[in-house]
Amino acid sequence: DAKTTQPTSMDCAEGRAANLPCNHSTISGNEYVYWYRQIHSQGPQYIIHGLKNNETNEMASLIITEDRKSSTLILPHATLRDTAVYYCIVRVAASGSRLTFGEGTQLTVNP
Amino acid sequence: GAVVSQHPSRVICKSGTSVKIECRSLDFQATTMFWYRQFPKKSLMLMATSNEGSKATYEQGVEKDKFLINHASLTLSTLTVTSAHPEDSSFYICSARDGSPGNEQFFGPGTRLTVL
Repeated sequence: DAKTTQPTSMDCAEGRAANLPCNHSTISGNEYVYWYRQIHSQGPQYIIHGLKNNETNEMASLIITEDRKSSTLILPHATLRDTAVYYCIVRVAASGSRLTFGEGTQLTVNP
Repeated sequence: GAVVSQHPSRVICKSGTSVKIECRSLDFQATTMFWYRQFPKKSLMLMATSNEGSKATYEQGVEKDKFLINHASLTLSTLTVTSAHPEDSSFYICSARDGSPGNEQFFGPGTRLTVL
């Protein structure tokens, strides 16, 4: 699976949009971009995933660049409960593939 | 999303004893389950992958005789830490997915193991 690079930490004001970047310059054509987050002492939570089109769900939006070498996860109106470590993972969406976690980005939402 | 549970959520045991952790998929059939370990302030590290009815596939450096994994049904996998030692103290997390293409993995809440 392709390697990803994320900033170690980011801060965001409550109510503002949080934009979390991820670089995956070696991504292959059949690899998806997945985002998970982990609130302290809990299991990871699935957020969103995409292949090349932008995606949006009730939690977030995922913007993938045209060359697919980077992406941005957008939390439109961050709340204190969004404070967590956010992991960007690329992998083939086949039934046997697994998720390999990097170090992620610690997002802290401040009041 | 689908729900994955783990039991117990927290366990303290004496060195040399064995501890069993259960992972259940509550509303779907998990053809594949994964076990991760996470040390403080570190990322999740995959320990093993198990498919229902098959032997688990362990990651390099993970002792299969120490971390016994059983995936006997489509809704239950167990991880047994045998002869636990203080260095086995960690946060153990399972995840599960069904067999449909493109499906995401759902994670359990984790089990905090402390070995005295």
